[in-house]
Amino acid sequence: QSVLTQPPSVSEAPRQRVTISCSGSSSNIGNNAVNWYQQLPGKAPKLLIYYDDLLPSGISDRFSGSKSGTSASLAISGLQSEDEANYYCATWDDSLNAWVFGGGTILTVL
Amino acid sequence: EVQLVESGGGLVKPGGSLRLSCAASGFTFSRYSMNWVRQAPGKGLEWVSSISISSNSIYYADSVKGRFTISRDNARNSLYLQMNSLRAEDTAVYYCAREDSSLAGTRYLDLWGRGNLVTVSS
Repeated sequence: QSVLTQPPSVSEAPRQRVTISCSGSSSNIGNNAVNWYQQLPGKAPKLLIYYDDLLPSGISDRFSGSKSGTSASLAISGLQSEDEANYYCATWDDSLNAWVFGGGTILTVL
Repeated sequence: EVQLVESGGGLVKPGGSLRLSCAASGFTFSRYSMNWVRQAPGKGLEWVSSISISSNSIYYADSVKGRFTISRDNARNSLYLQMNSLRAEDTAVYYCAREDSSLAGTRYLDLWGRGNLVTVSS
């Protein structure tokens, strides 16, 4: 059972838009910035979004993040087959003194 | 090239020990906190441990507390994870990850190694 809650899977057609939710609590998302990671099969996680909605250099602007209260979302527009991956939200938890991750969401581009 | 490279993994029997290393290059290692994150086969990411720049702040996940020890050598640009009393449930790919907190009000794991597999089995 992960501290942050994500849907196990989402799917959408190419060129469409999909959102992935991440729910937490006041000790984690409610008090700290949220980061998102993309993990392709057999690869290490890659930072996709940091500080709730900032894109690292080299990340496509088709990806965007948002946060409200104790929940955050990742949106991917103009879906492409290469976006098929596992996506994780993460943040620091002040009560646990630990990094906490969502359980991951598998994105399928139909 | 900016990178992290893990080593030291392998097959170990339950109750055994293993020491993972993470070699950093291409950046000033001593300016960053570092972390270990693991991923069991077919499962999600699980944070294991964090160590601050000067090693004065160290945190562990409850699942490894008392069994694992994180350390670093800034002169050697290296991070370590000493794993004792290993269990089958410790089987995972172990990643080292750099933590960037240079932007006020946030922190994030921005650089990850490729990972190193640890298998605990008799």
